[in-house]
Amino acid sequence: AQKVTQAQTEISVVEKEDVTLDCVYETRDTTYYLFWYKQPPSGELVFLIRRNSFDEQNEISGRYSWNFQKSTSSFNFTITASQVVDSAVYFCALVFSGGYNKLIFGAGTRLAVHP
Amino acid sequence: NAGVTQTPKFRILKIGQSMTLQCTQDMNHNYMYWYRQDPGMGLKLIYYSVGAGITDKGEVPNGYNVSRSTTEDFPLRLELAAPSQTSVYFCASSYSLTSSPLHFGNGTRLTVT
Repeated sequence: AQKVTQAQTEISVVEKEDVTLDCVYETRDTTYYLFWYKQPPSGELVFLIRRNSFDEQNEISGRYSWNFQKSTSSFNFTITASQVVDSAVYFCALVFSGGYNKLIFGAGTRLAVHP
Repeated sequence: NAGVTQTPKFRILKIGQSMTLQCTQDMNHNYMYWYRQDPGMGLKLIYYSVGAGITDKGEVPNGYNVSRSTTEDFPLRLELAAPSQTSVYFCASSYSLTSSPLHFGNGTRLTVT
């Protein structure tokens, strides 16, 4: 079965703390794609990153970084020096080769960054 | 560039009423999707389309219908509204999920009472 698990329902941190959002996926396919989306309080969905299964290089974009480990089927997202504007729900999602047309979402992690 | 446009933004329906949620995109994307997001939950796929004239069911299609007569438009129809359909509905489109992200509309918040 294809599945995305975000075990952390809610995380609360104080501004400037580093925080890691976990994402564990399940798929039997060797070709798949992983995504992260951000949903701020305003409700829209904002694309953050896409990674294919053949590219295990970690990626850094400003304060955001992603750690992809096929050995543990994880695609974790770290925010360094968090800011109040990072407060949002973050979704991890999966596209697998048996269902290239469908994006499967995890339940999301609500991040609250307090001043 | 408008991207994915959904109308209306908000709607209140009475049980048993019908309505159509409109979705249009101007990016010439073949792939279009409807998701629903229940309070505090992730997104569930209702229906999707890989091109004009082709639609298929997602995870939670019951109570909904779709059509795709043009590349641009992908309306979602609720025939007999039920309280369980109270949700936020997102339309999305993509060139191809293997090469590009999913572009979302801003959502329609529907309440059925």
